[in-house]
Amino acid sequence: KAGVTQTPRYLIKTRGQQVTLSCSPISGHRSVSWYQQTPGQGLQFLFEYFSETQRNKGNFPGRFSGRQFSNSRSEMNVSTLELGDSALYLCASSIRDVANYGYTFGSGTRLTVV
Amino acid sequence: GIQVEQSPPDLILQEGANSTLRCNFSDSVNNLQWFHQNPWGQLINLFYIPSGTKQNGRLSATTVATERYSLLYISSSQTTDTGVYFCAVWEGGANNLFFGTGTRLTVIP
Repeated sequence: KAGVTQTPRYLIKTRGQQVTLSCSPISGHRSVSWYQQTPGQGLQFLFEYFSETQRNKGNFPGRFSGRQFSNSRSEMNVSTLELGDSALYLCASSIRDVANYGYTFGSGTRLTVV
Repeated sequence: GIQVEQSPPDLILQEGANSTLRCNFSDSVNNLQWFHQNPWGQLINLFYIPSGTKQNGRLSATTVATERYSLLYISSSQTTDTGVYFCAVWEGGANNLFFGTGTRLTVIP
């Protein structure tokens, strides 16, 4: 079966713009989580969605938001982009909950803010 | 939050050599996963191993939850093993995975 699909793979944006990233989970997976990876901070949790509801949120400013649709696909949005938002954004899906089933990650979207 | 430490931070191996990567965590966990991030950024799930031992080909992992550590063994390393290996633990209170800082492995032919 298809894995976790993230689009686009690469993005270049200008400071102050906004961006939307997309993630399609594995078929049947209802939990979708987002992570930011930077050289300085490593992998940091952004938020998790389950059945269209945000179930958990990391310690990021309100400029970072997300949503999940009825087909479990998820989007994350970053508004008023800053240079420090340049990162690899990874999406992961799980059948129900990470504690008991673990994650499968997508290939990521590499965002560069100039 | 929970602290996750990995060692060594960097490792260079000759092809065919064996290695052991370690992951220490600061509190009780319900879930532990090992991932391999290849040079293109893809995080690949190696093991879901909250306790016990598992093997998959040349790789095996052991988690001793009571002593708060996990080990990843790579035998007969190949150049395709190059990348960063992360362990990640799930903490019930935070309800998400906490990642270690990773071990960067380079296998040279």
